[in-house]
Amino acid sequence: AQSVTQPDIHITVSEGASLELRCNYSYGATPYLFWYVQSPGQGLQLLLKYFSGDTLVQGIKGFEAEFKRSQSSFNLRKPSVHWSDAAEYFCAVGEDDYKLSFGAGTTVTVRA
Amino acid sequence: SAVISQKPSRDICQRGTSLTIQCQVDSQVTMMFWYRQQPGQSLTLIATANQGSEATYESGFVIDKFPISRPNLTFSTLTVSNMSPEDSSIYLCSVAGTSGQPSGTQYFGPGTRLTVL
Repeated sequence: AQSVTQPDIHITVSEGASLELRCNYSYGATPYLFWYVQSPGQGLQLLLKYFSGDTLVQGIKGFEAEFKRSQSSFNLRKPSVHWSDAAEYFCAVGEDDYKLSFGAGTTVTVRA
Repeated sequence: SAVISQKPSRDICQRGTSLTIQCQVDSQVTMMFWYRQQPGQSLTLIATANQGSEATYESGFVIDKFPISRPNLTFSTLTVSNMSPEDSSIYLCSVAGTSGQPSGTQYFGPGTRLTVL
């Protein structure tokens, strides 16, 4: 069975600083990988996804993620954080039957 | 991506009652799913809603408690039956297999915030 680990429960970052959120997965085959963001009181919005090809993936809102097979990681990055990036971030792994397994989530707080 | 709506957006219910949540998509989709997000927790898949047949439930979830319908390719309902305070959660609908998108990508509705007293 696959699993997803987000080691950081909560991260605080200053506005304008860089952000990196960690995600590690356990899966036998080449996974489908996703990052979603959930703002308070909202549903989940897809930031980016990796299926195959270029291991550096660009997403919306200035986010990018890099797939590293050797480390079983799919870390999310943003060079300069805005106050509106304060939210909960979820990493997810998909299987061929479309099902997703989610990590526990990382809460990002942005300080002025 | 598909536009997904859920009704109601939130509700406060008494224990022992049932609530039906609707999920509507603006285009035909291959797959529809229902998730539960308990307070401060991540998402847990309840079931896959199958068009024209019984839903496929994940371990720990049963049809008597969470009956699901999917009469067509754009609509599904989830009922939370005989509710208790432990059912207080956000319930999210998601879809996959939308036109022009990789089939493995899921898109989520805005969620239904349920509080059971």
